[in-house]
Amino acid sequence: KNQVEQSPQSLIILEGKNCTLQCNYTVSPFSNLRWYKQDTGRGPVSLTIMTFSENTKSNGRYTATLDADTKQSSLHITASQLSDSASYICVVSAYQAGTALIFGKGTTLSVSS
Amino acid sequence: NAGVTQTPKFRVLKTGQSMTLLCAQDMNHEYMYWYRQDPGMGLRLIHYSVGEGTTAKGEVPDGYNVSRLKKQNFLLGLESAAPSQTSVYFCASRKTGENTEAFFGQGTRLTVV
Repeated sequence: KNQVEQSPQSLIILEGKNCTLQCNYTVSPFSNLRWYKQDTGRGPVSLTIMTFSENTKSNGRYTATLDADTKQSSLHITASQLSDSASYICVVSAYQAGTALIFGKGTTLSVSS
Repeated sequence: NAGVTQTPKFRVLKTGQSMTLLCAQDMNHEYMYWYRQDPGMGLRLIHYSVGEGTTAKGEVPDGYNVSRLKKQNFLLGLESAAPSQTSVYFCASRKTGENTEAFFGQGTRLTVV
């Protein structure tokens, strides 16, 4: 069964600190892996999309890594800001037409001052 | 450019009532999706469409019907609402291709009493 597992479930950090969120997946055949940010009461917004051949991709203070061999990904947030408080969702796409996206449960990040 | 717009944003239904949720996108996207999001769970796919006039079942389709009569609109119907359908519903759309970005609406919070 295609699954996406994220850890930790929740995380609290001080403003200005860095953090790393983890994602493990069992999706086959793998097409791409995405990280989304979801603010409370809003729809998810895309941060990065990585294909099989990409090891890392950055979007400002967000850097995602992908190890397709071990089926693991991480999202590193540098110099966190209060506005980073949100749910971060790992999403994996299987290779097929009109493919739906398989969502992890997300990591809830709280950044405090 | 409005992106993906969902109507309504909030709704309270009585058990057994019917309603239709509307998703409209102005980006000429082929693929459209309906997801539901429940506490402690990742987004789960209800139905999706790969083009005008075509629909397909997702992971949790029971109790829902959909239609894609126009490319820009994707309707989600509940014929006889049940309390188990209390959830936040998200619509998404994206262009054809494996690695295209998915854009989400702002969500519809539905409560069935």
